[in-house]
This record gives sequence, structure tokens and C-alpha cells, in this order.
Amino acid sequence: KNEVEQSPQNLTAQEGEFITINCSYSVGISALHWLQQHPGGGIVSLFMLSSGKKKHGRLIATINIQEKHSSLHITASHPRDSAVYICAAQTSGSRLTFGEGTQLTVNP
Amino acid sequence: DAGITQSPRHKVTETGTPVTLRCHQTENHRYMYWYRQDPGHGLRLIHYSYGVKDTDKGEVSDGYSVSRSKTEDFLLTLESATSSQTSVYFCAISGGASGGVGNQPQHFGDGTRLSIL
Repeated sequence: KNEVEQSPQNLTAQEGEFITINCSYSVGISALHWLQQHPGGGIVSLFMLSSGKKKHGRLIATINIQEKHSSLHITASHPRDSAVYICAAQTSGSRLTFGEGTQLTVNP
Repeated sequence: DAGITQSPRHKVTETGTPVTLRCHQTENHRYMYWYRQDPGHGLRLIHYSYGVKDTDKGEVSDGYSVSRSKTEDFLLTLESATSSQTSVYFCAISGGASGGVGNQPQHFGDGTRLSIL
């Protein structure tokens, strides 16, 4: 079993829908990261959080430390949100352990 | 965008040849990382550096070596490339100039697609 598990692996939505991607981890962490990988391959850091909730535009990330679970929400989804979303647990020092990613496709 | 440049962006080579990938940063960040990304595995840490001449192994370090002789450059070397090392390689940086370990986002380069035939 991987230390970081994401669900679903693939997600298809219609434009405007509310989207949730889940991440569960089995190790102690100092922070949980959410990243976005564009279709062209580039990787961008979206959020880093160690408690509570963070919001940036239409993206919201939450974490429940007791349950070892984090969620990434996208409100009013748009085709440009189509990408792979990756969850990563910061464990030892600055090292990250990554989930396999969730491929999101938003259709117009 | 963080100033990270990976070179080359694409490379095709033969089994048994040496290969060196370069990661160059202009951000003066203390930490640098090399990852590989493969279908079904996600990103996996190969080696990382926490300062000039200070490096450590990641989870998939066998067959790879690294060097960091100055802050801005982190080199990844495959001494004798094998087909199992065909992958997309990403460099990342974090930590800022002050170098605290603390919780810092990582900034990624655009990746190097390496094919070993």
C-alpha cells in the first residue's frame, strides 16, 4: 500500500460542476502539498497546508490531521482546469512522498 | 515562475552510455531535488541536495549519482544508462536563500524526457 493514496484516479466532469479530489496518507507529516501538472508536463505548486483550509480563486484545499485526509475542491469547473492533480506528503525534512495523481478532464 | 532550467529537454541514447542531466536555478534556493516520473508510480525522489556538496539519496537512487559544486547547479548522472531508466526527469528547488528546512513549496523545472534504447 502506498503511503499516499489519491482518489479517484480519473475524473470527468461537465463545465460548471463542483469537483472533489481526495488524498489519504498513512505517515506523519509536517505539511500536505497539492500540485497541478499541465497537459504539457509542467508542474505547479497549488497549496501547502498543515491544518485547516486554504483558498485560492476557485480552488480550496482542506486537511484533517486526525483522519490523515486532505481534499482539493474546484468550484465552477472550467475546461482549463483539465490537468493531473497530485497530492504529496512532506515527511522527513523537506522530502515529499507523492500520490499517483488524479487525471481531471472538464468538458465544455 | 521560479527560475529553473533543465537541460537537455529531450535526449535519446543507447544502453551503456553515460548521461548527465543539468538543473540550473537563479533563485539561490538551498534545496534541490531530482525526481523521475513513470506511469503507475507518480513522482519518485532520486537524490536531493541541502547545500553545496551536501547530497543524500532518495527512494530510487540506484544507478544514479549527483553533484552540486555550486548553489545554482545540480547535476544528475547515469553512469551506464539502462532501459529501465527511460523516464521523465524533473528537477525541483525549495527553501529560499535563508535555507530553513521548514515547510516550503517546491518549484519544478519543465522536465527532461530521456529515452534509452
